[in-house]
Amino acid sequence: EVQLVESGGGLVKPGGSLRLSCAASGFTFSDYGMNWVRQAPGKGLAWVSSITTSSGYIYYADSVKGRFTISRDNAKNSLYLQMNSLRAADTAVYYCARVRVGSSGWPYFDFWGQGSLVTVSS
Amino acid sequence: DIQMTQSPSSLSASVGDRVTITCRASQSINTYLNWYQQKPGKAPKLLMYGASSLQSGVPSRFSGSGSGTDFTLTISSLQPEDFATYYCQQTYNHPTYSFGQGTKLEI
Repeated sequence: EVQLVESGGGLVKPGGSLRLSCAASGFTFSDYGMNWVRQAPGKGLAWVSSITTSSGYIYYADSVKGRFTISRDNAKNSLYLQMNSLRAADTAVYYCARVRVGSSGWPYFDFWGQGSLVTVSS
Repeated sequence: DIQMTQSPSSLSASVGDRVTITCRASQSINTYLNWYQQKPGKAPKLLMYGASSLQSGVPSRFSGSGSGTDFTLTISSLQPEDFATYYCQQTYNHPTYSFGQGTKLEI
């Protein structure tokens, strides 16, 4: 059974840092690209960052570029999101999600973790 | 960036109803369109990918259609467990895979 379990969320002051982790199991982690998606309280979904299988390609949303760093450790079946210079606007539930590519080349997020809440407040 | 607009933003329906949710892209995205269902306090769940392909394990009362800029998600006969928020997502514009704002389906 595919499982993605996030951890590391919590309350942090503006300007502070936090590192989220996503532990993967039930599949060959190194075969899949991974993403972080966030959801502010009462709001919709927003893509944050993505990383390819061997970390060769990494992408960020403009809103987090220069402040967040995505990484992965395939030996530990884990995905990470280092968040620095946090702002109130970064308050959200952060989900890790596995990306799969369909037979005709469509990417889709087929499995999601349960989410980790990050609250940025003084 | 590609903007995704869903309509309606909220919808009231009854068990057994046929319901259609629309998603429009600001530019053509071929069929690079996915649909997710999210229940309160839970992670999103993939329903459809490639506009019309049903994810494994998803009931056949869900169907999707469209290409280019206009897409629909249809639930043929609403069940109690279908009351949730639905999101479309475009994966044409790699890697900024934007989502629609969501459609809340209420009883």
